[in-house]
Amino acid sequence: GAVVSQHPSWVICKSGTSVKIECRSLDFQATTMFWYRQFPKQSLMLMATSNEGSKATYEQGVEKDKFLINHASLTLSTLTVTSAHPEDSSFYICSARALGTRDSRGWSSYEQYFGPGTRLTVT
Amino acid sequence: LAKTTQPISMDSYEGQEVNITCSHNNIATNDYITWYQQFPSQGPRFIIQGYKTKVTNEVASLFIPADRKSSTLSLPRVSLSDTAVYYCLVGDNGAGGSQGNLIFGKGTKLSVKP
Repeated sequence: GAVVSQHPSWVICKSGTSVKIECRSLDFQATTMFWYRQFPKQSLMLMATSNEGSKATYEQGVEKDKFLINHASLTLSTLTVTSAHPEDSSFYICSARALGTRDSRGWSSYEQYFGPGTRLTVT
Repeated sequence: LAKTTQPISMDSYEGQEVNITCSHNNIATNDYITWYQQFPSQGPRFIIQGYKTKVTNEVASLFIPADRKSSTLSLPRVSLSDTAVYYCLVGDNGAGGSQGNLIFGKGTKLSVKP
């Protein structure tokens, strides 16, 4: 399958500082990338959808001024957590959409591939 | 986006076949069914995707009845390393021209015992 990387894999920062997380699609171009957040023992929660060259679409309840998303190229999206607080500590996961195979109807399915995640701890 | 319902947890033993069923009663015409596996502190890993009938790859099979209101992920001869959370997701993945964002449910925690 396609490979998606994230950097850093873990980060510890002080309250009030900003942290940038990178998401790269290594062997394919991704016009659409997604950012998720996952708290311990919970499922993934979609934060925003990022399209190359345009503004991200945020899910309800996600502060766009706090979680800045930039998708400047077809292989890179970044998430910046601004003025981080301890409650922002979480596991952040990105995914990238890749074109799959055509089915019998001729429609193309899209497959999403996820990065390994970034563990953010705000002290 | 179609809502999915899965068992919260399942137990199995090494070497057994495991079938995890997912209900998605309001699946739309453009929707695909995708299953992911997630280990602790890792991103989800794509397992299999299908639209109807049966799909098989090197790790699993996906059975989808004609009405597509449910699907079953089949894992043959599980091992201890298959212990993970398995998510069933339904969405058009952009095939219908939408963003294709996937909404995760609670998933099924599979525990494989020796």
